[in-house]
Amino acid sequence: GESVGLHLPTLSVQEGDNSIINCAYSNSASDYFIWYKQESGKGPQFIIDIRSNMDKRQGQRVTVLLNKTVKHLSLQIAATQPGDSAVYFCAEIPNYGQNFVFGPGTRLSVLP
Amino acid sequence: NAGVTQTPKFQVLKTGQSMTLQCAQDMNHEYMSWYRQDPGMGLRLIHYSVGAGITDQGEVPNGYNVSRSTTEDFPLRLLSAAPSQTSVYFCASRAAGGGRDTQYFGPGTRLTVL
Repeated sequence: GESVGLHLPTLSVQEGDNSIINCAYSNSASDYFIWYKQESGKGPQFIIDIRSNMDKRQGQRVTVLLNKTVKHLSLQIAATQPGDSAVYFCAEIPNYGQNFVFGPGTRLSVLP
Repeated sequence: NAGVTQTPKFQVLKTGQSMTLQCAQDMNHEYMSWYRQDPGMGLRLIHYSVGAGITDQGEVPNGYNVSRSTTEDFPLRLLSAAPSQTSVYFCASRAAGGGRDTQYFGPGTRLTVL
């Protein structure tokens, strides 16, 4: 069964296309950001992180972009695969704290 | 390493009942936390602990108690369950690297309060 998602924004992409998932964060004092992937019935899984002194970071098939001016974070997935279907969360940590603050999530649906 | 483990996976309670959700980690992480996840609301922090013997409240602590007697275990107690506590609960842990280390999540406990 689904743990989340009844009211989540959904992004549908064709297999093989690139996906871009966006996140607006709330705290201009946040200096560390993470993207998590959550598959149905499982806990969130770390994908990639970025610190506020960077504006871009690349991993395997994934790229995170950070625009501090407009407090916007994006996750780009290249050549999207069926296994990428999941809910994606961004999380931020203010530089004065230790606790993660999570966004509501976006559901990515990969079409065959 | 088993990582972060949670029990039970599913639980149904009646209003007013009490129960404890178990969480354990074998990575010697100092920092542990409990989140609840509700549709459209992402993960919200209930309680957290920065080490054995130290706990603090998160965003939504009411109705929940925690304790941290060992580094490995961080149980979450519902003293008198209410339907508003129907949710999926995730435990997480990470090393205390200045708050910048990866946080590992357990598989979750799906709780229904009737």
